[in-house]
Formats: sequence, C-alpha cells, structure tokens
Amino acid sequence: QKEVEQDPGPLSVPEGAIVSLNCTYSNSAFQYFMWYRQYSRKGPELLMYTYSSGNKEDGRFTAQVDKSSKYISLFIRDSQPSDSATYLCAMISGGSNYKLTFGKGTLLTVNP
Amino acid sequence: DVKVTQSSRYLVKRTGEKVFLECVQDMDHENMFWYRQDPGLGLRLIYFSYDVKMKEKGDIPEGYSVSREKKERFSLILESASTNQTSMYLCASSRRDRSEKLFFGSGTQLSVL
Repeated sequence: QKEVEQDPGPLSVPEGAIVSLNCTYSNSAFQYFMWYRQYSRKGPELLMYTYSSGNKEDGRFTAQVDKSSKYISLFIRDSQPSDSATYLCAMISGGSNYKLTFGKGTLLTVNP
Repeated sequence: DVKVTQSSRYLVKRTGEKVFLECVQDMDHENMFWYRQDPGLGLRLIYFSYDVKMKEKGDIPEGYSVSREKKERFSLILESASTNQTSMYLCASSRRDRSEKLFFGSGTQLSVL
C-alpha cells in the first residue's frame, strides 16, 4: 500500500462550482498536512497546511483533516479559472524529519 | 520576494554526458532538496541537505550525486546521463524549523538523447 494515495483526475468543473480534492494515507506518524498548488510550467507553492484534525479555512479554500480515517480534503468554493492547476497533498511526520511525502497530484480545470 | 532560482529552464544533453543542475536560494534556508517530477509518478526526492556539506539520500539517489559547498547553493550532478533521467527537476528549500513549507524553483526540464 502506498503511503499517500491521491486520485490524479483530471477533474473538470464549471466556474463557480465547489471542488473537492482528497488524499488518503497509511502512515499514522504523519502529523502535518499540506496542500500545494502547481501551475503549468511552474514549481509547486504551498497553499495551506494544518497539523490537527478538523477544518482550516483561508478565503475560498478549506483544508480538512480526519486523522481517525487517515483522510484529508481540500475544498474550493466558487471556483475560478485561475484555480486551474495541479493540486498536490503532502504530509510530514514532524520532529527532525525533513522529508515530505507527496501525493501524485490532481489536475483541476475550471472552465469559464 | 523570496526566490529559489534554477540555472536552466530547459536542457538537452547526450547520453553519457556529465550534467550539472544548479540551484540558488536567497532566503538563508538551512534545508535544500532536489526532486524529479514525472507524469504518473509524481514528485520523488533524490537528495536533500540540511546544512552545508551535509547530504542525505532520498528515495531515488541512484545515478545522482549532490554538492553543497555554500549555504545558498545546492547542485545536482548526473555523473553519466541516461535516457531514463529525462525529467523535470525541481529544487526546493525550507527553514530548519518549517520543514512543511517548501519553496520551489520553476524547474529544469532535462532531456537526455
């Protein structure tokens, strides 16, 4: 079983839709959970991070973590064409561990 | 604006050539990383460094080496390039106490012919 599983999509939605992106993981040691966004021909950039179960909101974006189910989600409300990108989940066990474990990414297209 | 700069955006090399990929960060970060990104395989860690002259193998170090002589610079070396090393290479850096927040460069698309 892979440490992190992420549906690669592609996912295509109309502008204004609510988007749900998901990852599951198997390693109980993961403590910090991140979502990175990668535009075409660019490096990933950190979008959101959280270290606890529950929801964290930032504008149109909500990150949700369920440690008991080993499941994380990113919700995008009122999606815009500028949200079109690949979204990668990432996790780290904390402490002196430097190594993030990434999902393979989900390609999202928001159509005007 | 903080930056991670990779020396080349596109690179074409021949099989067997020695290839150097350079990365410079201006954020005084302790940690630096080299990843490769391939369709269907995602991001895979090649090597990382948590201090000058320190390095640790990632998930796929075979065929690669690294050098970190100065804090701001981290080089990836392909000793003898092969076609299966054709890939997008991404450099990243982070603070020692903020490992979750990686700053990435724009990547180098390497083609080995």
